[in-house]
Amino acid sequence: GQSLEQPSEVTAVEGAIVQINCTYQTSGFYGLSWYQQHDGGAPTFLSYNALDGLEETGRFSSFLSRSDSYGYLLLQELQMKDSASYFCAVSGLSGAGSYQLTFGKGTKLSVIP
Amino acid sequence: SAVISQKPSRDICQRGTSLTIQCQVDSQVTMMFWYRQQPGQSLTLIATANQGSEATYESGFVIDKFPISRPNLTFSTLTVSNMSPEDSSIYLCSVRLAGTYEQYFGPGTRLTVT
Repeated sequence: GQSLEQPSEVTAVEGAIVQINCTYQTSGFYGLSWYQQHDGGAPTFLSYNALDGLEETGRFSSFLSRSDSYGYLLLQELQMKDSASYFCAVSGLSGAGSYQLTFGKGTKLSVIP
Repeated sequence: SAVISQKPSRDICQRGTSLTIQCQVDSQVTMMFWYRQQPGQSLTLIATANQGSEATYESGFVIDKFPISRPNLTFSTLTVSNMSPEDSSIYLCSVRLAGTYEQYFGPGTRLTVT
C-alpha cells in the first residue's frame, strides 16, 4: 500500500518563506507531485519530481529525496492568495495493478498579514 | 492542458436513490479517474475509467455501488447507487494527459444524501 504524512496546518506571514514536508511509504514509486486546492475549488497541479533534487517554478520549488522517501514544497514571497490546502501525492501502481495517484491528507496553509 | 466539466455541480438526494454524475473533457484522454473527497479531507481514488472495458476499482469500492461508463475518450459517468448518508461527499473527475504526470480535475459534484 501507500501512505503519506504531511503537517495538517501551517501559518506563515505574507512575504515570508514556508516549507511543507512530505514523507511517504509506497510500493512502486514513479514520482512525487504537489497540488494546491483553494476552499471550494478543484485541485490544481503545482509540480512533479521523479528524480532527486530541486525543481523550481516561479515562487514555488519542490524537492525530492528518493532514498529518504521525503520531499518538500517551498513557497517563497508568500502572498495572501497562497492560502489554500497543499497535497503531496505519489504516483505508482495500485493494488489493482493500474496507475494511481495517492494523496496525502493535505496541509492547510494560512498566510497572515 | 485539459478542461473538465461535471454535471450536476451539486445535488441533494434521498436515501436509497441513485445519482449519475457526468464528466466531459475538451480533448481525448486515455486515463480518466473518479475520486471522492470529504470536505476538508484528502482525495480517495474510487476507480480508473477505462474506455471500452470495465473500470478498475480500488479497494473498498465495488462496481455494484459505483458503476462507471466510459463510452469514448472524452466522456464518463459515475453512478452512486442505493445512496446512504455516508455517500455524502464531493465526487471529482480527473484526467491525465499522455506523456505527462500532471492530472487535471473537474470542479466536482457536491452530493448530500438525506
